[in-house]
Amino acid sequence: DADVTQTPRNRITKTGKRIMLECSQTKGHDRMYWYRQDPGLGLRLIYYSFDVKDINKGEISDGYSVSRQAQAKFSLSLESAIPNQTALYFCATSGGLAYEQFFGPGTRLTVL
Amino acid sequence: AQSVTQLDSHVSVSEGTPVLLRCNYSSSYSPSLFWYVQHPNKGLQLLLKYTSAATLVKGINGFEAEFKKSETSFHLTKPSAHMSDAAEYFCVVSDLGAGNMLTFGGGTRLMVKP
Repeated sequence: DADVTQTPRNRITKTGKRIMLECSQTKGHDRMYWYRQDPGLGLRLIYYSFDVKDINKGEISDGYSVSRQAQAKFSLSLESAIPNQTALYFCATSGGLAYEQFFGPGTRLTVL
Repeated sequence: AQSVTQLDSHVSVSEGTPVLLRCNYSSSYSPSLFWYVQHPNKGLQLLLKYTSAATLVKGINGFEAEFKKSETSFHLTKPSAHMSDAAEYFCVVSDLGAGNMLTFGGGTRLMVKP
């Protein structure tokens, strides 16, 4: 089984709809991250959490919110989706002092 | 502030020929550097990492990279390309100044011709 899972894998929605993307991990890591990937821009950090009570904004948090329901679960919400939020979204985890992050398979979101 | 520039957005090689993917970084501290690979419809997989040990780093699938502080470079190489190497590659920097957060380059798409 995959260590970092994301649901759904693909989602098409309409402008103005509320969307939630979910991430679960079995690695036992405290740190979790949400990124979006756009062509030519690499991955950009949306939000990150170092433990259940610690939530921080990343580079591009506007229009997004997150919830850390448990050590293993970190959800990303788009309160009112807009077309320029069409992108590939990745969840990642890291543990302790290690720099390496482990990525989920991604969620492809299309906002019409 | 840290930043990463991948000098080529696309690289095309023939199978069996060498691969060179170029990366330059900027960092105010002693950085950690990574190369990740993304195959189509897959997540990102770590190829290799430099964290202040040996400057020549060997990774999976025959890839290696050399940390050159004087040139602020961390180029990825492989002696002989295989069709399965076709993917997108990301150079990534992390340093203490950014709380060990990762900053990604824009990516290089590697195409391998038969």
